[in-house]
Amino acid sequence: KAGVTQTPRYLIKTRGQQVTLSCSPISGHRSVSWYQQTPGQGLQFLFEYFSETQRNKGNFPGRFSGRQFSNSRSEMNVSTLELGDSALYLCASSLAGTAFETQYFGPGTRLLVL
Amino acid sequence: AQTVTQSQPEMSVQEAETVTLSCTYDTSESDYYLFWYKQPPSRQMILVIRQEAYKQQNATENRFSVNFQKAAKSFSLKISDSQLGDAAMYFCAYRSAGTGNQFYFGTGTSLTVIP
Repeated sequence: KAGVTQTPRYLIKTRGQQVTLSCSPISGHRSVSWYQQTPGQGLQFLFEYFSETQRNKGNFPGRFSGRQFSNSRSEMNVSTLELGDSALYLCASSLAGTAFETQYFGPGTRLLVL
Repeated sequence: AQTVTQSQPEMSVQEAETVTLSCTYDTSESDYYLFWYKQPPSRQMILVIRQEAYKQQNATENRFSVNFQKAAKSFSLKISDSQLGDAAMYFCAYRSAGTGNQFYFGTGTSLTVIP
């Protein structure tokens, strides 16, 4: 099985722009979670989607949004980019998002905001 | 909210030796899961080991084992016979039981393996 893929891998944007990141989960996985990883904060949970519905959301401003499509692929969008949004954005997939399941992570999208 | 603390930003170990990474967490819940994830340089994060809170027996996966102290809210990872491939950032994580609950991650411990 192919692993979790994320596109693009690298992205450079300027403040005020918006960006869309994509995540394709492992085939058959219906739960997709997104995380922001920064050196000082570690991994911070953004949101989790299951069957096109957002089930859980972390403590991020409304500029961060996401969606999931019927094929379980997910996108996240960040509007009005700020310098502090520079980070590695990881997505992870699992079969159903139950607590004990293994989450499989993608390679991440590294976003740099200038 | 739950918090996970890794007090060792960096650790080093000689090849073939044993190293222990520390993790503490804070929660008022009784049913939860704990995980250690490994993130090698420029590679994807992978699960190393997990522990159910209701199980007293410590989890073991080959050279990796945990010391789970529920009352002390401590969850350390022991790596035996360290190998060069163990060099990575290690993250401790907490997740409530149920469905759709988020992971809470520590800030990570960077492990260097010295040949």
